[in-house]
Formats: sequence, C-alpha cells, structure tokens
Amino acid sequence: RKEVEQDPGPFNVPEGATVAFNCTYSNSASQSFFWYRQDCRKEPKLLMSVYSSGNEDGRFTAQLNRASQYISLLIRDSKLSDSATYLCVVKDTGFQKLVFGTGTRLLVSP
Amino acid sequence: GAVVSQHPSWVICKSGTSVKIECRSLDFQATTMFWYRQFPKQSLMLMATSNEGSKATYEQGVEKDKFLINHASLTLSTLTVTSAHPEDSSFYICSVSDRNRDTQYFGPGTRLTVL
Repeated sequence: RKEVEQDPGPFNVPEGATVAFNCTYSNSASQSFFWYRQDCRKEPKLLMSVYSSGNEDGRFTAQLNRASQYISLLIRDSKLSDSATYLCVVKDTGFQKLVFGTGTRLLVSP
Repeated sequence: GAVVSQHPSWVICKSGTSVKIECRSLDFQATTMFWYRQFPKQSLMLMATSNEGSKATYEQGVEKDKFLINHASLTLSTLTVTSAHPEDSSFYICSVSDRNRDTQYFGPGTRLTVL
C-alpha cells in the first residue's frame, strides 16, 4: 500500500465549478500535511498547509480528518489557471521527510 | 519563501558519462537540502538528505556511490550522477528547508536525458 494515495484523475471541470480532491495516508503518526501544486515539467510549489481545524486561503479550503487519515482540498470558482497537478504531501515525523502522493490532475476548461 | 536555483535546467548526455547538478539557496543559509527525482507520471521520490559539512543520508535503494552528493557550503549542494545510463533519465529536483524543517522550497529542477 502506498504511503500517500490520491486519485490520479484527470478531473475535467468547466470554469467556475467547484472541485474536491481527496487523499489518504497510511502513517497514523504523521503530523504535518500539505497540498502542493505542480505544473507540467515544473517544480512543486506549496499551495497550503493543512491544519487539524481545517483552513481556507481564498478559493482553496483544506480539511484534515485524523481518525480516517484523510485530507481534502476544495477549490471553488475554478479558473483556467488552476489547471495543474495537485500533490498531497505528508511529513514523516520520525525522519522529518516529505512523502508525496502521485498527484491529481485538474483540467479547467472555458 | 526561499529562492532556490538549479543548474543546469536540462542536460542530455551519452551513456557512461557523469553529470553534475548544482543546487543553490540564494537568500538563506540552508543547513539541510534534499534531492528528489521524479519519473514521468510518478510522484517525487526522496533520494537523499544533504547536510552541510557532513555525509548525505541516502534513502533505501539509492546507491550512494552512483549518486554523489556534496554539501560543502550553506548555499550549495551538488548531485553527481556517475556513469549515467538511460534508466537514470529523470527530473531531478532539490529543495531547502527552513529552520524547523516544516516547509520545503523547491528548485526549478533539472531534466536529465541519457542517450
């Protein structure tokens, strides 16, 4: 079983739509969680950290469910520029390293 | 966030040659840098953790004699792929972490193609 699992997609949505991505992780001791965005042939860029109480940054909302070991990302009012691969990332507490999911690809069309 | 550069951004080489990739932290002193690689349609995989002034820590399955890492200063780490083969063709990305290691900032990556 992969440490971090994501639906690879692609998710095809029209502009203005709301879309949600999910991610599950296997290590119950994980303490830090992130969503990164990666554009084609580019490096990952931090989109937002995910906090236990849930957090919002503009059109983006992240949720964490520790009991279910589940993380989500909600994007409202999708823009064409949101088209990218969204990486769910978990920090291994023991060794302080980041573990990446394979990513979920989002395509926003006009 | 930190500004990280990598050089070269892409390289094509013949099988058997060695390739050196540089990772520079431009605006803060990075005691720790990380090296990842990403094969097409796969996730980033950590190869090694590079600590300034000491030996790198390699992940399981990564050959330390093949992927030589040098972190001689607080702003520069290098990864040398020795005797590269076509299966080493990949996207190599470095990152630096802030003091509490909670956030990592990635370089733009180096795309290596071995013919």
